[in-house]
Amino acid sequence: QQQVKQSPQSLIVQKGGIPIINCAYENTAFDYFPWYQQFPGKGPALLIAIRPDVSEKKEGRFTISFNKSAKQFSLHIMDSQPGDSATYFCAASQGGSEKLVFGKGTKLTVNP
Amino acid sequence: EAGVAQSPRYKIIEKRQSVAFWCNPISGHATLYWYQQILGQGPKLLIQFQNNGVVDDSQLPKDRFSAERLKGVDSTLKIQPAKLEDSAVYLCASSRTSLHEQYFGPGTRLTVT
Repeated sequence: QQQVKQSPQSLIVQKGGIPIINCAYENTAFDYFPWYQQFPGKGPALLIAIRPDVSEKKEGRFTISFNKSAKQFSLHIMDSQPGDSATYFCAASQGGSEKLVFGKGTKLTVNP
Repeated sequence: EAGVAQSPRYKIIEKRQSVAFWCNPISGHATLYWYQQILGQGPKLLIQFQNNGVVDDSQLPKDRFSAERLKGVDSTLKIQPAKLEDSAVYLCASSRTSLHEQYFGPGTRLTVT
């Protein structure tokens, strides 16, 4: 049972573009929503995370937007660079960073 | 600070054989996780340890998978016997506590033929 649905599966943008990756969850008890970045041959690395008491969080060029009523959250990458080319996973959990449920991932390609 | 170490990085075995993976978490991290990442999917939690005790193994196929974390530091994950559908990347992660960020190792890519 997939509890976090992520889209799109793949995304290609030009350098400087703003890719947007969306996730929707079902379990209203989830209260921790991280995004992970994974490069080929590497493990996922935490990029940014949000809790439902705020609607937006920015860290550098990465922004999470959160819509509690719609049970959706999204990742925006400002001024995207070729080095941002990676697979991005959203995740959700209840009560902390344990028992994370991951989306299926979005492969982002940023062309020069 | 050294990251999470895993070995081997790659393993190819035939179905019905056994295999073991090793993980050394970041020093001082009490919580350790094993994930299975099938190609094209996100990681799926198999088991979570708090020190040397199991917190959650609800998604671990216990008829063939086993894991231990002796002395609350290193951990091993074993599959016996392996099936074709076990082909995946096995990721180990650790965190200071269950409330803190998880740090992932590079994973072990298992191919079962």
